[in-house]
Formats: sequence, C-alpha cells, structure tokens
Amino acid sequence: GAVVSQHPSWVICKSGTSVKIECRSLDFQATTMFWYRQFPKQSLMLMATSNEGSKATYEQGVEKDKFLINHASLTLSTLTVTSAHPEDSSFYICSARVKGGSYNEQFFGPGTRLTVL
Amino acid sequence: AQKVTQAQTEISVVEKEDVTLDCVYETRDTTYYLFWYKQPPSGELVFLIRRNSFDEQNEISGRYSWNFQKSTSSFNFTITASQVVDSAVYFCALSEARTGGFKTIFGAGTRLFVKA
Repeated sequence: GAVVSQHPSWVICKSGTSVKIECRSLDFQATTMFWYRQFPKQSLMLMATSNEGSKATYEQGVEKDKFLINHASLTLSTLTVTSAHPEDSSFYICSARVKGGSYNEQFFGPGTRLTVL
Repeated sequence: AQKVTQAQTEISVVEKEDVTLDCVYETRDTTYYLFWYKQPPSGELVFLIRRNSFDEQNEISGRYSWNFQKSTSSFNFTITASQVVDSAVYFCALSEARTGGFKTIFGAGTRLFVKA
C-alpha cells in the first residue's frame, strides 16, 4: 500500500535555529504534497500545498518566509521552519497525492513533533 | 468556501454502548469527497472511509457505519458496541473537486472516551 514517511518523527531545538522536516512517498510518486500543522487538542490546519517543481501555495496567514517548502522530486518534499520560536512548537503532518491516482487519493505521514525551547 | 463542523467536542461512553459522531459540511461544489479519520494518542492519522458526493449509499464496516445525507449535508459516523480501543480523536474532512490542489479541510474533531 501507499506509504508516506516523515523524518524526523520528533525534534527538539533551541529558539532561533532552523529545523528541516522531510516527507517522502516511499512506494509511489506524488505530484502534490500538503503540509498541515496541529496544535495540541486542535484540528489539522492546512499550511501549504506543494507541487513538484513549482513554488508552494501557502494558506492565508502562513508566513512563506518562515515555513520554507521545497518539493524537489516526485517523492520528497521538505518543510523548513526558519528561526523557530516556542510558538512554532506543534505537530507537523504531511500528506501526498498519488500521481495518476484519483484526485482524492491522499496518504498521510505519521507526523513530526517539533518542540522549540 | 468549504467548511466542516463537528459540534461534539468530547463524548464519553461506557464500553458496549453505541455512539454517533456528527459531521456537517458546507460546499458549493457538486463534486466533493468526505472522509473520516481516527487519530489515536500516537498522533498518526488512520484512514477510515472515503465517500464521494455521488454515492449516498450508507456503508458498514464491522462495528463502524456511516450515514451520508446530502439533503442535510451530513456524514455521521456510528460505532456500535464501542470498545476501549475506540478511544481517540475522530476527524471528519472534506475535499472539493474544483479546488486547485485538491485540498482537504478538517473539522475540529471529536474526542471519544470509551470507559471500561
């Protein structure tokens, strides 16, 4: 079955540093990947949509200079949280849409828990 | 604009009780997809069901059943004879066909506690 991995699964960093989170589709090609953020006891909020080879589309209110997204290949998208602050501490989840699949066929990664001290 | 409302924030039941989780959605599109996901304490989303807007048939999968009513824009989820392992947060989600990039929007979630 379609598997999406995320690395790291958790990360703790100091305030002011940058953190990169990887999202990989392991056994399929993904034309589109989505990045979500989930604060404790809240829902998943879509941050951005990333298409392979093009710039990401950010949702309203999401700072594109702070959350850098790179979708360099059909199996990898990265989210870099630049100059992280404690308020960026959250659970980040990616999903990937199967290339050539029905448009609603998306698979979610296991998430990355970011803690900024 | 698409919107998903899960009015029940938390539900607590005793094991073996039936429980229904409500989901109401809003969309201007005629083609859309509805989903239910389970999120256990580990955080990883578990896909439960996908239903497209042209298929109003109700579905049953073991102890789980779903009732899709386009007339009331609802997609409710029932767990029959609940078990402690059903304790989790359940999200209803909507994806519109015309939305560029096929975005999926989630409801606020319903936290289900099943007590032994």
